[in-house]
Amino acid sequence: DIQMTQSPSSLSASVGDRVTITCRSSQTVTIYLNWFQQKPGQAPKPLIYTATTLQSGVPSRFSGSGSGTEFTLTISSLQPEDFATYYCQQSYSIPFTFGPGTKVDIK
Amino acid sequence: QVQLQESGPGLVRPSETLSLTCSVSGASIKSYFWSWIRQPAGKGLEWIGRIYSSGSTNYNPFLKSRVTMSVDTSKSQFSLKLTSVTAADTAVYYCARGDNGYNMEDYWGQGILVTVS
Repeated sequence: DIQMTQSPSSLSASVGDRVTITCRSSQTVTIYLNWFQQKPGQAPKPLIYTATTLQSGVPSRFSGSGSGTEFTLTISSLQPEDFATYYCQQSYSIPFTFGPGTKVDIK
Repeated sequence: QVQLQESGPGLVRPSETLSLTCSVSGASIKSYFWSWIRQPAGKGLEWIGRIYSSGSTNYNPFLKSRVTMSVDTSKSQFSLKLTSVTAADTAVYYCARGDNGYNMEDYWGQGILVTVS
């Protein structure tokens, strides 16, 4: 299985801050890296697929970059509704695997 | 509008079989793959496996010996069976639609809590 790691595991930020989350895979996943946002009591919400493509309806303040084994999710200006846990997922190799998550909370 | 809804027992006895169904509306079950993902309380997401409308499956090797997925295209439903459950299988179970082109689960059900006790 491909192992996924995320850093940091949690962060505190203020509204308007630029936030960057890093995801690394134990072997290449080419561009098959997805990002999800999850709020308490809700299902994960897809944000980005194939590393850089924004899911329909997702605000443009979210962006993704990377390929191979290192990826980033950036929120250019954090909004109140962005406080949540973010997961990366590789969909290059079966079984698809998720990172452990990064919790973004209010400073 | 694509919607997925999980259904099934919320309580399963240890050693018995967990059975869940996902009902799909707003999308053809023949054009995508269909996944199950679970999340223990306070923990991360675990991919259980996926099924295509043809019946072809991919399972997580960690659960493979206990998992069976099936699909009923006439009812726009797909199902999960997990045998010999233990307390470690207690989790919220999500069903999701997967896009073949991008290999991403793009629509998710709300999730169903299954407790093994």
